Order: sequence, then structure tokens, then C-alpha cells
Amino acid sequence: GQNIDQPTEMTATEGAIVQINCTYQTSGFNGLFWYQQHAGEAPTFLSYNVLDGLEEKGRFSSFLSRSKGYSYLLLKELQMKDSASYLCAVRDSNYQLIWGAGTKLIIKP
Amino acid sequence: GAVVSQHPSWVICKSGTSVKIECRSLDFQATTMFWYRQFPKQSLMLMATSNEGSKATYEQGVEKDKFLINHASLTLSTLTVTSAHPEDSSFYICSAANLGTSGYNEQFFGPGTRLTVL
Repeated sequence: GQNIDQPTEMTATEGAIVQINCTYQTSGFNGLFWYQQHAGEAPTFLSYNVLDGLEEKGRFSSFLSRSKGYSYLLLKELQMKDSASYLCAVRDSNYQLIWGAGTKLIIKP
Repeated sequence: GAVVSQHPSWVICKSGTSVKIECRSLDFQATTMFWYRQFPKQSLMLMATSNEGSKATYEQGVEKDKFLINHASLTLSTLTVTSAHPEDSSFYICSAANLGTSGYNEQFFGPGTRLTVL
């Protein structure tokens, strides 16, 4: 079956750095997405990786290793507004998005 | 990014009634729209994929006669929850994509509709 694993919850301190990991086992691979979702709101797009390596976008970076079925989202200079759920999603060979359960990130002052 | 709207943003209805949710892509033509359902503290669950002008493809376990999807134009898809029951109470989110034009076929999400069935 298809499976996306990410930690259920993480806690970090304002101003610090946090890394949210995602491992996947899917039928084919056509890209990996990270989304941010605040409580009661729809997801918003953060990043997309289809080739191995690191993609940097401001305070957020996303890394992909296709051979390991592994990605991480790195958040720097954490702000209180970064408290949200972070969803990892992989597009499989049928171009369907397979979603992880999400990681709830709690930022403490 | 592209803008997708949903209407209504929230709805409360009595058990047994039907509720229609609209999803519109405001500034691009969406060849494909996706309907998701999300229960509290759970991840998004894909309900169905609809392509403009054709029948929707439903995920396993989703009743197509209960969740009617219409994608009549490149900018509008509707989800009708027929004979709603309390267990249908959930956050319904649509997303839209124009497959083939963008580099990675990003899905653009609507703001979601919170349905409460009494």
C-alpha cells in the first residue's frame, strides 16, 4: 500500500530552527509537496520537490532524497504564527496526491 | 498563486436535508477539481476527482449517490451532500488544478466549507 509517515506533533521555541521529517512509500513518484494548514483553514502551498536536493524559500527549506523516500521541511527563525499543521503529500504514478496525517507544530515563546 | 473560492464558508442544516457547496476558480481555468473532507485533527481525505465535462471519479468508500459532484464548466464544480446526517459534519475543501500548463500541476485550495448537520 501507499504510506506517508510524519511525526504527529513537535514543539519548538520562537526564534529557533525545526526540522519536520516525512518518509514515503508510494506507487511511483511525481513530486513531493509541503503544505501549511492553520486550524480551521484550508492548506496553503509551501514547497515542491521533484529532484533530489534542497529547495530554499525564505525561512522555509525543503529537502528530498528519492532513493531514501525521504523529505524534510526546515523552518528557521521560528515565529509564533508558524504554529500550524504541516502536511507532506506525494504525487504518485497516477498523479494522485497521497497525504500524510500532518505534523502539528507548537511554537513556545 | 491562483484564487479558488468556496461558498458557503459554513452551513448548518437539519438531518435529512441536502446541502450544495460551490467551488470556483476565479482567475484560471481548472480542468480538474478535487474534493476533500477533513475531520477534526485528521488529515485531508480525497473524496473524488472531477474533470470538466465528465463524471467524477470517487475514492473507495465514498458513496457517489450521496455526494453528487458536478463539474459543468472550467471554473465551477459543485458538491451536493444529499440527505445529510450528523456523521457528514466535516470540513469540506476543494482544490483546483489546470493539469498540463504549470510545471508541476499545483493544486490551489479553496478556503473550505464547514458543514454541521444537526
